[in-house]
Amino acid sequence: GENVEQHPSTLSVQEGDSAVIKCTYSDSASNYFPWYKQELGKRPQLIIDIRSNVGEKKDQRIAVTLNKTAKHFSLHITETQPEDSAVYFCAAPQRGAGSYQLTFGKGTKLSVIP
Amino acid sequence: DGGITQSPKYLFRKEGQNVTLSCEQNLNHDAMYWYRQDPGQGLRLIYYSQIVNDFQKGDIAEGYSVSREKKESFPLTVTSAQKNPTAFYLCASSRGLAPNEQFFGPGTRLTVL
Repeated sequence: GENVEQHPSTLSVQEGDSAVIKCTYSDSASNYFPWYKQELGKRPQLIIDIRSNVGEKKDQRIAVTLNKTAKHFSLHITETQPEDSAVYFCAAPQRGAGSYQLTFGKGTKLSVIP
Repeated sequence: DGGITQSPKYLFRKEGQNVTLSCEQNLNHDAMYWYRQDPGQGLRLIYYSQIVNDFQKGDIAEGYSVSREKKESFPLTVTSAQKNPTAFYLCASSRGLAPNEQFFGPGTRLTVL
């Protein structure tokens, strides 16, 4: 099955700096890579995703890059703000019995220091 | 935040009791999922269902059971066989059978007393 490794587990940055979180996956057939943000006590919410036919996707201050050869993808947050403080999860698809489910990384706790 | 709901928000159980967590969605999604979240462990898949009356075990199904009698509903029962049930439980749903965005419910925090 799919194995997803996420690093770092915690990350502290000064407000205005950039943050980068990296995930690696094991199944070369994987073709969909989402990133979720979970604020304390809340549900995870999708912030950006990328499919394997593109190498980069950007949405305002957030971008995701994908390197299929190396089997890793990264989340980039620029000009960080205190409201970016949360736990971020990456995921990759795992094929089950005629369907797919997502395997999640263990999460990165991002703290943005004002 | 609408679309997928879970109840109750908090649940307390005595050891040896079975409890059922509710999950309902009005997004017309075919697929539904149950995850368990523990500190530092990410989201671990318990069960998932792609269509009514069919479901599959995830990575940590032991001590849990589910049913999918209606497209909108996917209840999870935590049985007395689950050795360490205290956790945050999240339900999710998604369109179709291909990998797509999963929409999460607000979660149920279960505590065993």
